[in-house]
Amino acid sequence: AQKVTQTQTSISVMEKTTVTMDCVYETRDSSYFLFWYKQTASGEIVFLIRQDSYKKENATEGHYSLNFQKPKSSIGLIITATQIEDSAVYFCAMRERNNNNAPRFGAGTKLSVKP
Amino acid sequence: DAGVTQTPRHEVAEKGQTIILKCEPVSGHNDLFWYRQTKIQGLELLSYFRSKSLMEDGGAFKDRFKAEMLNSSFSTLKIQPTEPKDSAVYLCASSLSGFAEQFFGPGTRLTVL
Repeated sequence: AQKVTQTQTSISVMEKTTVTMDCVYETRDSSYFLFWYKQTASGEIVFLIRQDSYKKENATEGHYSLNFQKPKSSIGLIITATQIEDSAVYFCAMRERNNNNAPRFGAGTKLSVKP
Repeated sequence: DAGVTQTPRHEVAEKGQTIILKCEPVSGHNDLFWYRQTKIQGLELLSYFRSKSLMEDGGAFKDRFKAEMLNSSFSTLKIQPTEPKDSAVYLCASSLSGFAEQFFGPGTRLTVL
């Protein structure tokens, strides 16, 4: 069964530092897709970055990057040079390739970036 | 390109009423999702459609919740009858394919009195 777990409920960091948010997943599928989304205080949810399970190279997108550890079923989101505007809730999601089910989401991690 | 649109943005209903929420996915997207978001339960899947066919139904929501895709560019979520515990934000999302990222609408905040 698909399952996504984010154990960090909230994280607080100082501006301009680097933060890592954890996410672990469970799947029986050999091929799957991992996504990170950001939900701002206004409620808007936007896609940030994805990792395809068959790709060994960690995905990067601007100041977001991923730490994909397939043997550990782990996909961490790394934000470098954090800004106040990065304060939000971050969701991890997984979608199996050989399954007609919707993506599964973690519970989210609330990030607070302080000046 | 227009993103996912949802109407209304806010809805207040009396217990026992029937309410219908509407969603227009991104043009050309084949997958459409309805989620409910609360602080306690997080994001819960209500329904998932692919090319207008229902692919997955959130098991706990089959009783009073019914989502439909009237055509490829319009979907509704009916809650009948509403209960106070249904108070939440209802989100609609779409994606181009099963392997693509989701685009979320702004949500409808439902309050049931």
